[in-house]
Amino acid sequence: ETGVTQSPTHLIKTRGQQVTLRCSSQSGHNTVSWYQQALGQGPQFIFQYYREEENGRGNFPPRFSGLQFPNYSSELNVNALELDDSALYLCASSGGQGRSGNTIYFGEGSWLTVV
Amino acid sequence: QKEVEQNSGPLSVPEGAIASLNCTYSDRGSQSFFWYRQYSGKSPELIMFIYSNGDKEDGRFTAQLNKASQYVSLLIRDSQPSDSATYLCAAEEGNFNKFYFGSGTKLNVKP
Repeated sequence: ETGVTQSPTHLIKTRGQQVTLRCSSQSGHNTVSWYQQALGQGPQFIFQYYREEENGRGNFPPRFSGLQFPNYSSELNVNALELDDSALYLCASSGGQGRSGNTIYFGEGSWLTVV
Repeated sequence: QKEVEQNSGPLSVPEGAIASLNCTYSDRGSQSFFWYRQYSGKSPELIMFIYSNGDKEDGRFTAQLNKASQYVSLLIRDSQPSDSATYLCAAEEGNFNKFYFGSGTKLNVKP
């Protein structure tokens, strides 16, 4: 148990629709990152939020957007869903004390299938 | 393009043997490296991290880092069938808390 919770755990959407995924970070962590993991691949960095501001973005189009709230929870929004968006979406929190503060801890993930 | 490379495997070892997992990274600016274990259908879980050259031991796991060769490894002693999983190597970009992951090495530990 990492203390990072995500919802929903599984969902199916139709191409062209929009989806919102939610994440609550571990207590004491002020940084939330989102990763996409396609089948057979490692997680790929989408973006990171620190104190409600986007703090870095990977190679993902603008239809991937996010928010972080004052309690450090976060949302990932994906518009105009494409079949290739089908993946496991992982939320990771970080921001503890010392060198281990850079360590990221994943939630259970949200499995998105686009049909 | 910052990359982390891992052999996809599968790596098969008998129960009780030492499993050796390796990865290389491209970004010389990376300072911290992480190993995660991922069971099928589950999210990655942290095994350990390393940021100094040399070895770091945690129970049955030893991480090794060689920054000159841009090489990270994970040794699992006394491998158990429950260690069968995909092992992901990750490098942190600078000190920005942005991680690059390899595609993972699948480990099978045979009873």
